[in-house]
Amino acid sequence: ELKVEQNPLFLSMQEGKNYTIYCNYSTTSDRLYWYRQDPGKSLESLFVLLSNGAVKQEGRLMASLDTKARLSTLHITAAVHDLSATYFCAALGAKIIFGKGTRLHILP
Amino acid sequence: EAGVTQFPSHSVIEKGQTVTLRCDPISGHDNLYWYRRVMGKEIKFLLHFVKESKQDESGMPNNRFLAERTGGTYSTLKVQPAELEDSGVYFCASSFRDRGLAKNIQYFGAGTRLSVL
Repeated sequence: ELKVEQNPLFLSMQEGKNYTIYCNYSTTSDRLYWYRQDPGKSLESLFVLLSNGAVKQEGRLMASLDTKARLSTLHITAAVHDLSATYFCAALGAKIIFGKGTRLHILP
Repeated sequence: EAGVTQFPSHSVIEKGQTVTLRCDPISGHDNLYWYRRVMGKEIKFLLHFVKESKQDESGMPNNRFLAERTGGTYSTLKVQPAELEDSGVYFCASSFRDRGLAKNIQYFGAGTRLSVL
C-alpha cells in the first residue's frame, strides 16, 4: 500500500532564508505532485514530476524527484512572505495519495 | 474559464442530520474525485467518477455516504445520518481523461468545511 510522508509538518522561517520540504513515499509511483493551498482556497497545482532525476523550477520554488530513493523535495530559495501557505505532496499509485501537508509560515 | 466550484463553503449540522455537498467540475472534465481531510490528517481519497460511472469508491468510509453524478456533470455527496467523525473539509477535484503522456493534473475546488455538532 502506497504511503506518503512529509516533513516537516510545520515550518516557520524568516524571509530570505532557504529551506527544503521532504516527501517520502513507500512504493513505486508513476507521478509525484506538489500542491499549494492558501487558507480557505483550493489546492493549486505547482509541479508534476514524472521521471527519476526530474527537476522543475518556478520562481523561488524548485521540486526534484529521486525515484530510487522514493524521495521528492521542494526547495524554497530566499523565502518571501507571499510563499506562506500549506504545501502538499501526493504520489500516484492506484489512486493519488497525499501527505499530511507542510504548513509554511514565513516571517517578514 | 471557471474552476472547480463547491457548495456550500461551510456547513454546520447536528449529529443525525443529513447534508448534501455539491461539486461542479471544470467543463469537459470526465474525471471527478472526492477527497476528505480531517483536521491534522492527510487528504484522503473517497471516490472517483468517470463521467457518470463510479470508477473507484474504495475510499468511501461507510454506507452513510452516497455520491452521485447524474448526467456526468456536477456531483453530489450526501451524508445521512451525519456523525461527529464526519467533520472535516471535503474537496472535489476534476481532470481530463488521461491521454498517454498527459499529466492528468487534478484541479481542486476550495472545499466544503463540514462541522457536525
